[in-house]
Amino acid sequence: SAVISQKPSRDICQRGTSLTIQCQVDSQVTMMFWYRQQPGQSLTLIATANQGSEATYESGFVIDKFPISRPNLTFSTLTVSNMSPEDSSIYLCSVRKGAGGGYTFGSGTRLTVV
Amino acid sequence: AQRVTQPEKLLSVFKGAPVELKCNYSYSGSPELFWYVQYSRQRLQLLLRHISRESIKGFTADLNKGETSFHLKKPFAQEEDSAMYYCALMNSGGYQKVTFGTGTKLQVIP
Repeated sequence: SAVISQKPSRDICQRGTSLTIQCQVDSQVTMMFWYRQQPGQSLTLIATANQGSEATYESGFVIDKFPISRPNLTFSTLTVSNMSPEDSSIYLCSVRKGAGGGYTFGSGTRLTVV
Repeated sequence: AQRVTQPEKLLSVFKGAPVELKCNYSYSGSPELFWYVQYSRQRLQLLLRHISRESIKGFTADLNKGETSFHLKKPFAQEEDSAMYYCALMNSGGYQKVTFGTGTKLQVIP
C-alpha cells in the first residue's frame, strides 16, 4: 500500500485566516481524496482530486471554501479558507493504490480555529 | 444514495469474549465493503475488505446481501483490539465514492 505524509499534524488558527494542508504520497496515484472528521463524527468526503483537472466536490463543500491543488500524481493540497470555529476538525487525505485495494490514509491534520 | 449504519457507538466486552461489531448498508448496486480500524493515537488503517475474504488479527466479516450487512466478528477479544472501528462502503460505479459509518468504539475489559 502507499505511504502518505501529511502536514501539518495540527495547528491552531485565528478565525478569518486560511490554512493549507499538504499531502505527499510515495508513489503515483490517479485520485486523491480529502476527508473531514468533525469531533465525535464519522469521516465525510470533501472532494476528490484528480491530477490535471478541477477537483470534484461533494454536496455541502465548495471550491471557494476548500480550494484544492493537484499539481502532480504524488502531491495535493487542501486549503481551508476564511476559517471559523465550525471548521475545527481533523482533515485527512487518502489514496487508493490500484483496483481491489483498500484506501490508505494520512495521519490527519487536527485544526482548531479560535 | 449510499449509507452505512453502525448502530453501536460503544461496545464493551470482556477479554476472551466474542465480539460482533454491526454494520448495515444501503446501496442499490453491488458495493465493495471495508472495515477500518483506528487505534489510539494512530492513523486510520484498513483492517479487511469483503472481496478478499481474509481474516486479519482474528477478525472476519461476511457480506450478507440479503440482510445488507457486513458485521465484523472475532471469537475471542484481546485487550489490544480496543480501538475505533469504521465500516465503509464504496460504490461500484465509475466514480468510486466511499461512505463511512459513524464508527463503533470497542473497549475490551481485562
